[in-house]
Amino acid sequence: AQTVTQSQPEMSVQEAETVTLSCTYDTSESDYYLFWYKQPPSRQMILVIRQEAYKQQNATENRFSVNFQKAAKSFSLKISDSQLGDAAMYFCAYRSAWIDNDMRFGAGTRLTVKP
Amino acid sequence: DTGVSQDPRHKITKRGQNVTFRCDPISEHNRLYWYRQTLGQGPEFLTYFQNEAQLEKSRLLSDRFSAERPKGSFSTLEIQRTEQGDSAMYLCASSFRGQGNTIYFGEGSWLTVV
Repeated sequence: AQTVTQSQPEMSVQEAETVTLSCTYDTSESDYYLFWYKQPPSRQMILVIRQEAYKQQNATENRFSVNFQKAAKSFSLKISDSQLGDAAMYFCAYRSAWIDNDMRFGAGTRLTVKP
Repeated sequence: DTGVSQDPRHKITKRGQNVTFRCDPISEHNRLYWYRQTLGQGPEFLTYFQNEAQLEKSRLLSDRFSAERPKGSFSTLEIQRTEQGDSAMYLCASSFRGQGNTIYFGEGSWLTVV
């Protein structure tokens, strides 16, 4: 079974600096999708960034980028120029390309941004 | 805004009572999911619909839980004879095949059983 591990329960970053959140996963599949979701205190889960496993190029969305290492099964999220509004729980998620309901989440990393 | 909407946002109920949550997915999304999330944890899959058909149910979904999606539009999740262990956030999400399997979440329905 696929599992997603986020080894950092909490992280802290100074405003305007860069922080990297770690995620590893376990799978025997070759086709899948990886996601980072953000869940602010208001509780709605918001998609931050998505990566297709067949793409070698790392996804980027403005200040958010990923470092996708398929062989190592690693999918870290880098937040550049951190802003106070980035403070939230961040969840890494894995979804099979073949099984529609099979989306697994990590336990999350709570990010604090210090002014 | 035409995102996923859930109602009610918060529900406090006495143990043994029944509760029902409603989810309205993004229009034209044919897939609808229910997840449960407890404090400090990521969402856990409960059940999944494609149109009106319920295709998968997690072992987490005991016989006290039932979900429906009549006509393939909105969905309801009912919990009968609630227990304190049912206290959690119930998240609804929807997706449309072809959008890279991205799931969009609602704001959740927070259940407290006292």
